[in-house]
Parts: sequence; structure tokens; C-alpha cells
Amino acid sequence: AQSVTQPDIHITVSEGASLELRCNYSYGATPYLFWYVQSPGQGLQLLLKYFSGDTLVQGIKGFEAEFKRSQSSFNLRKPSVHWSDAAEYFCAVPLNPAGGTSYGKLTFGQGTILTVHP
Amino acid sequence: NAGVTQTPKFRILKIGQSMTLQCTQDMNHNYMYWYRQDPGMGLKLIYYSVGAGITDKGEVPNGYNVSRSTTEDFPLRLELAAPSQTSVYFCASSNRGYEQYFGPGTRLTVT
Repeated sequence: AQSVTQPDIHITVSEGASLELRCNYSYGATPYLFWYVQSPGQGLQLLLKYFSGDTLVQGIKGFEAEFKRSQSSFNLRKPSVHWSDAAEYFCAVPLNPAGGTSYGKLTFGQGTILTVHP
Repeated sequence: NAGVTQTPKFRILKIGQSMTLQCTQDMNHNYMYWYRQDPGMGLKLIYYSVGAGITDKGEVPNGYNVSRSTTEDFPLRLELAAPSQTSVYFCASSNRGYEQYFGPGTRLTVT
């Protein structure tokens, strides 16, 4: 079954510093990959997605992510972090039953909590 | 558009009680999902629906039931609440794709 791992539970950065959040996936073929963000007390919002093509994808709020097949990774980056980026970030892949249809179902990583210091 | 709305926001249940978590979306999405979120565990899919009258189990369905009588509504039922069901519950919808729109969540405590 597909799975996704986020090695970092909690990351702290200073405002204005660069950011990289790690995501590793386990998948037999080229996966669809997603990053979602959850602001405090809110539901999740899609930041960006990768289906195919250019391995560097741009998302909302100035985020980007790069798909690296050789490393089974889809790391999220931002050149300069703002205090409003403090949130929990989730990497996700489709939840596919063997031989079945996904119906848009996703399986999520454990999440990385981002703290931003002024 | 209100998007996805969930009620209640918070609830405390005693062991063995029952309750229904309400979820409504106004985007005419076919697909709807229920997740639970536990600290350090990410989100786990409980049930999902691909249209009115069609539901199926997700990763962690035990102790829950759902129904989908309309496109808009997808309630989640807990019949005999247990402490293991203490969690934050999220409802989401999508238009046949992977971009899911989430509600604000219901924080449930079972004591």
C-alpha cells in the first residue's frame, strides 16, 4: 500500500529564513503527491500538487515542492518564511486499494508543525 | 459560498452515549470524506461517499456509521462512544479529484 513519511515532527525557523519540510513516499509507480496546510484551529487547505511533468511545482502562498524520484521525496520549500506560515503541514498520496479506484481518497503523513520565531 | 460546514464545533460525550456529527457542503461535490485526526498520527479516513446513496469504509471505520441521502449532507454517527474515539473529526468534499475542501472540524471528547 502507498504510504508517506514526514521525518520531522516539529521545525522552528526565524522569520525571513528559508524553509524545507521533508516528505518521503512509498509507491510502486510515479505517484500523485500533495501538500496540505492546517492553520491553528482550521481545516486543511491544499498548497500544491504534483501529477506529472515538471518536477518543480509552484503552489499558493509562495510555496514550492520538488519531486525527486531517485530519493522518493517531495520536499516543500519556501525561500523566506513569514510569521503567518506557522501551521502544521501534511504530505499526502492517494489511498488506492489493490486494483481498485481511488475516488480521490488520500493517506496523509504524520504532519510537521512549523513554528516561526520573530 | 460557505464551503464545508460542520456542527458542532465541540462536544463532550459520556462512554456509551451516541451522537451524530453533521457535515454539509454547498459546492455540489460528488465525493465526501470523514477523517479523524489524532496528535502525531496525521489524518485517517473513516468513511467516504462518491454520491448520494453510495458510501464505503475507509482505513478506520469501526465504531462509526454514515449515510448520504443528499449530495449536500454526509453525517457521521457514533453509536456507543468509547474513549478511543476522542479525536478531532474533519469532513471534506471534492469534485471527483484529489483537491479536497475541508470543514473546520469537530473536537470530540469521550469520558
